[in-house]
Amino acid sequence: NAGVTQTPKFQVLKTGQSMTLQCAQDMNHNSMYWYRQDPGMGLRLIYYSASEGTTDKGEVPNGYNVSRLNKREFSLRLESAAPSQTSVYFCASSLRDLGQYFGPGTRLTVT
Amino acid sequence: GNSVTQMEGPVTLSEEAFLTINCTYTATGYPSLFWYVQYPGEGLQLLLKATKADDKGSNKGFEATYRKETTSFHLEKGSVQVSDSAVYFCTLQGGSEKLVFGKGMKLTVNP
Repeated sequence: NAGVTQTPKFQVLKTGQSMTLQCAQDMNHNSMYWYRQDPGMGLRLIYYSASEGTTDKGEVPNGYNVSRLNKREFSLRLESAAPSQTSVYFCASSLRDLGQYFGPGTRLTVT
Repeated sequence: GNSVTQMEGPVTLSEEAFLTINCTYTATGYPSLFWYVQYPGEGLQLLLKATKADDKGSNKGFEATYRKETTSFHLEKGSVQVSDSAVYFCTLQGGSEKLVFGKGMKLTVNP
C-alpha cells in the first residue's frame, strides 16, 4: 500500500516547454486534487476531480490542464511552462470526510 | 465562505516546552476539522482530526478539541521534541471534500 505517489520528484524546464506531472493512489479514493505550494502563499488548489470522468477548476487553474485517466490516476499538464509556475506541486486524494492524503510532491523550476 | 485563521509564526521553542497553536474558523453547517503537519522537504501528513463538536483528536502527543461555541480547534502538546520541528496547518472541510487551509505555522524546536 503505497498511498499517493507522484512522479517526477524534481524537474527543471525552460520557458515554453511542456510536461505532465503524474499522480496515482491505491486507496480506492473517489476524489483527487492538485495543489501548488509557494512561499508565503500556502497551498492553493489548481484542479480537482470528484470522481472518475469529472474535473473542476480550483483557485488557480490558468496555465494547467488535468486528466482523470481512471480512478487511480490524475495527471497535471503544463502546456507552455512559465517562470511563474515554479513551485512545489502536491497531489492528494480523499474519501468522504476522512481528510485528504498527500503525495511527496514535485519540485518544478522553470527558467 | 469558509475560512481558517491560525497563528502564523514562525515560533521557536526549547525542547520539552508546552506548545499551543491557535486556530479559529468560519463555516456554515458542521465542518470537519483537521491538523496537518509538513516536515522539511516532505508532503503534508494528516496529524489528527475531529468531525463533530466536542470531539478530541489526538496523535503523537498532540491534541485538539473541536469547540463549536468558540469556533476553535487549537493544537496543543505538553512537551515538544526536536523532531516536532515542522509546519502545522489548521484545515477545515465543509460540504464538499475540498479543504480550506490556514496559512501554516513554522515551528522550530531547539535542543
